[in-house]
Amino acid sequence: GAVVSQHPSWVICKSGTSVKIECRSLDFQATTMFWYRQFPKQSLMLMATSNEGSKATYEQGVEKDKFLINHASLTLSTLTVTSAHPEDSSFYICSESSGPDTQYFGPGTRLTVL
Amino acid sequence: GENVEQHPSTLSVQEGDSAVIKCTYSDSASNYFPWYKQELGKRPQLIIDIRSNVGEKKDQRIAVTLNKTAKHFSLHITETQPEDSAVYFCAASKGRGSTLGRLYFGRGTQLTVWP
Repeated sequence: GAVVSQHPSWVICKSGTSVKIECRSLDFQATTMFWYRQFPKQSLMLMATSNEGSKATYEQGVEKDKFLINHASLTLSTLTVTSAHPEDSSFYICSESSGPDTQYFGPGTRLTVL
Repeated sequence: GENVEQHPSTLSVQEGDSAVIKCTYSDSASNYFPWYKQELGKRPQLIIDIRSNVGEKKDQRIAVTLNKTAKHFSLHITETQPEDSAVYFCAASKGRGSTLGRLYFGRGTQLTVWP
């Protein structure tokens, strides 16, 4: 399957600061990447669909000005959590489509906001 | 949109027994159904998937069945082992391409296999 990396794997930040998470497709040119958030013992919640060269499509209830997504190249999508608060602490995971349907996930980024 | 229901939320079995996890979906346009295994703190790993033109698929100890008429699909794990312990998620999608490729996930099943 496709190889997806994420950086950083974990980050701790102070409330009010911004954090950028990178998602890279290492062996596939991904025109579409997906960003998910997962709280402890819960399912994956889709936040937004990231399309290369165009604006991301956000799910209902996800603030686009708070979660900035940039997909400037076929191998890199970034998610920036702006003015982070403790309630933003979560596990953030990206995925990409490889082949007709299959999605492969990055290793995730554990964000803790103090 | 699509609604995926998954049962049970927790499942405990003895090593060597079989485990079955069931999911239902609401949108008849969904045509791709993957299953993911997620160990604590790690990424979801695709373990098997099935497309709507197939009724059953098997890969060693893992099998998935799909009933399009009833809109449900199931994961079957035979001869379970302790390393099968994890959270399993089912998902459904309408296929690739922009937002059409998005996955709708079930709530997950915590499978525990006791030695």
